[in-house]
Amino acid sequence: GDSVTQMEGPVTLSEEAFLTINCTYTATGYPSLFWYVQYPGEGLQLLLKATKADDKGSNKGFEATYRKETTSFHLEKGSVQVSDSAVYFCALSVQGAQKLVFGQGTRLTINP
Amino acid sequence: GAGVSQSPRYKVTKRGQDVALRCDPISGHVSLYWYRQALGQGPEFLTYFNYEAQQDKSGLPNDRFSAERPEGSISTLTIQRTEQRDSAMYRCASSHPFLGPEAFFGQGTRLTVV
Repeated sequence: GDSVTQMEGPVTLSEEAFLTINCTYTATGYPSLFWYVQYPGEGLQLLLKATKADDKGSNKGFEATYRKETTSFHLEKGSVQVSDSAVYFCALSVQGAQKLVFGQGTRLTINP
Repeated sequence: GAGVSQSPRYKVTKRGQDVALRCDPISGHVSLYWYRQALGQGPEFLTYFNYEAQQDKSGLPNDRFSAERPEGSISTLTIQRTEQRDSAMYRCASSHPFLGPEAFFGQGTRLTVV
């Protein structure tokens, strides 16, 4: 079945460090890929998306590229801030199925 | 409304009681989804609706769980005879096919069964 695997957390970095959170997927068909973020005390928010191979999603300095050949959608940011501390979820949606399949989440803590 | 609204935000209930969780989607959104999220895990799909029709309920764990969306807007997720293992965050989301594949989530209802 369809599934998403994220790198295990938690991840702790210093401010201005480079961030990578790995995400790989297994899916039938051609999924759309998403990163959602959950800030402390808040609900899930869409961070970025990519709907076809080689698309790059970007938002708030975060980027992820849809790599069909490696079935990956790794999240990157060049210089993290304390305000980026949150839980990040990778997810996919298979065309025609509508529902989202989530990874287990990665907790990110940025220290000043 | 401006966003997806869920109520109550927190619910504590005794084992064996029935609970009803409410979701008010973004105005005009066709699709409405329910997910359940255990602590430290990602959300897991329960069921979804297009308008008032329940399209997929394959994620409902057993027949104590049911959902409805009678007028194609507000939805209710009902859990009968609650058990401690039902304790989780219940999340609702909505989407519109013309606006893209992404779903917009409410803040969730934290259910605790004691």
